[in-house]
Amino acid sequence: SAVISQKPSRDICQRGTSLTIQCQVDSQVTMMFWYRQQPGQSLTLIATANQGSEATYESGFVIDKFPISRPNLTFSTLTVSNMSPEDSSIYLCSVARHQPGLAVYEQYFGPGTRLTVT
Amino acid sequence: GENVEQHPSTLSVQEGDSAVIKCTYSDSASNYFPWYKQELGKRPQLIIDIRSNVGEKKDQRIAVTLNKTAKHFSLHITETQPEDSAVYFCAASIADSWGKLQFGAGTQVVVTP
Repeated sequence: SAVISQKPSRDICQRGTSLTIQCQVDSQVTMMFWYRQQPGQSLTLIATANQGSEATYESGFVIDKFPISRPNLTFSTLTVSNMSPEDSSIYLCSVARHQPGLAVYEQYFGPGTRLTVT
Repeated sequence: GENVEQHPSTLSVQEGDSAVIKCTYSDSASNYFPWYKQELGKRPQLIIDIRSNVGEKKDQRIAVTLNKTAKHFSLHITETQPEDSAVYFCAASIADSWGKLQFGAGTQVVVTP
């Protein structure tokens, strides 16, 4: 597996401000992912972050709202910009670890950041 | 893109009974099917997975089966215990997608003593 940490674990923010969430993993990984999980809902992929290139965003998510950085193979940040109450959610990062000899990647999640926008 | 449907949305079982959760997927290029358990306030935890070249996999009280022809896979939990109470998510990953997952909607499992 992988040891993944996220900062902050939770935050309460005012409408119109921005919050940057950090994700750190204990070893080098190729792909990192950012998800959003609304209360009682499934996980929705926001974007895929590959080191050294622009993040790839899923339908419904845009770079201006959710800018992502991936400066190296163990770290990534997600910024939630110009926040509104609808952005209140849990944000999770994950890492994909390639299984030697197999064309699959196991995915492990960070502990999440609980964001409340007032 | 891939679409994963999961049933049932809630499942109540008596301790000691079995629980079965079923998922279907749409993209025949999917080759990896993990299951995650998420306890309240915790992160999703990978509990078992299956590759497309395998029909069944067991790990103690949990097992997964895969039917590639029908594009469905299932999670089986035997001898359920109260600590099995959680939300379970199935997911599917397409080959050459660097591990990108499409998740099902989740199943809330409640095991009553």
